[in-house]
Amino acid sequence: GQNIDQPTEMTATEGAIVQINCTYQTSGFNGLFWYQQHAGEAPTFLSYNVLDGLEEKGRFSSFLSRSKGYSYLLLKELQMKDSASYLCAVRDGDYKLSFGAGTTVTVRA
Amino acid sequence: ETGVTQTPRHLVMGMTNKKSLKCEQHLGHNAMYWYKQSAKKPLELMFVYNFKEQTENNSVPSRFSPECPNSSHLFLHLHTLQPEDSALYLCASSQEAGDNSYEQYFGPGTRLTVT
Repeated sequence: GQNIDQPTEMTATEGAIVQINCTYQTSGFNGLFWYQQHAGEAPTFLSYNVLDGLEEKGRFSSFLSRSKGYSYLLLKELQMKDSASYLCAVRDGDYKLSFGAGTTVTVRA
Repeated sequence: ETGVTQTPRHLVMGMTNKKSLKCEQHLGHNAMYWYKQSAKKPLELMFVYNFKEQTENNSVPSRFSPECPNSSHLFLHLHTLQPEDSALYLCASSQEAGDNSYEQYFGPGTRLTVT
């Protein structure tokens, strides 16, 4: 089985930085994904890491350490529209993604 | 516009009813998925179809029956459901090729309530 852990909730102020951690224990590893899901909407792809290191994409960055089974998603210059649930997912086979329960981020003015 | 559509968006059904959920992807992908999303729980993978062949059935009860007539369409047939089956059902698609990993594109989901 797979075990993917991420905090349940985080709150931050507009313009600040928030880091969402994800730890995983899986039987195999073939990449880690981060998705954003606004309430009542579909999850949308944010980032993909398969090698160790940092991937930067605008205000969002994602980091992976395979040896530690650890990833984080960094959200910079927070905006109100960033209030959403952020899902960490690990791919352990040909097509199968295992998801964490998601981290609900609330951005306050 | 995600390129993956689902109908209906909301469905209320009794435990003795039979209904079907429909998913269509307009992205030319070769793999499609059904997920169940319950409150405060991780997305649960239910079924995977690759090139119209079912490659995964994640111990899903037989009251859920998938159908994939072609690579663009996916159905989930429902019958004699239980109240605990109430959840958001998400469809997704991706392009799978060899060892490459491509992101999955999700539809907006069907909010199912079983009474």
